[in-house]
Amino acid sequence: QKEVEQNSGPLSVPEGAIASLNCTYSDRGSQSFFWYRQYSGKSPELIMSIYSNGDKEDGRFTAQLNKASQYVSLLIRDSQPSDSATYLCAVNMPSVNFNKFYFGSGTKLNVKP
Amino acid sequence: DGGITQSPKYLFRKEGQNVTLSCEQNLNHDAMYWYRQDPGQGLRLIYYSQIVNDFQKGDIAEGYSVSREKKESFPLTVTSAQKNPTAFYLCASSGGAGGVDTGELFFGEGSRLTVL
Repeated sequence: QKEVEQNSGPLSVPEGAIASLNCTYSDRGSQSFFWYRQYSGKSPELIMSIYSNGDKEDGRFTAQLNKASQYVSLLIRDSQPSDSATYLCAVNMPSVNFNKFYFGSGTKLNVKP
Repeated sequence: DGGITQSPKYLFRKEGQNVTLSCEQNLNHDAMYWYRQDPGQGLRLIYYSQIVNDFQKGDIAEGYSVSREKKESFPLTVTSAQKNPTAFYLCASSGGAGGVDTGELFFGEGSRLTVL
């Protein structure tokens, strides 16, 4: 079982719709959760961090965390063609005095005009 | 501006050659990492370093070597022992400045290595 799992997609949504991206993780000791956006040929860019159960909103982005179910999601409201990218879920599984990050393989999002 | 600088952005290597990828950060982060990304795949950890003069193997360290002589620098050498080195290499750092660790990981722009 992989530490972090995502549906590879592609997920296609029309412009203006809500895109919903999901991620599950295996280590119940995980404490920090992140969503990165990666455009083709570029490096990942951090777009959301979430540390406690519930929702965290930042503009058009909402991250949701459910530690009991070991589940993290990202909602993108009013999706734009510029949101078309691969979204990577990352989980911080800290060891003593150190942060170790595990990444999912990413979900490719296509927003159609 | 603070950030992570990787060089070169593109690199071509002949089989049997060692190459070194540079990574410099001015974020005052303690921890630095090297990841490898292959097409359509997630990031795999090669090496990581928590402090100067200390580093640990990640999940795919074979055929790679690193050094951490300065806090700001964490170069990666891809040796001839790495059988399939063509990939996108990403350097990252974490640990907030001023002792406040946000736990977030920040990436450089990446280096794309192609073996001819």
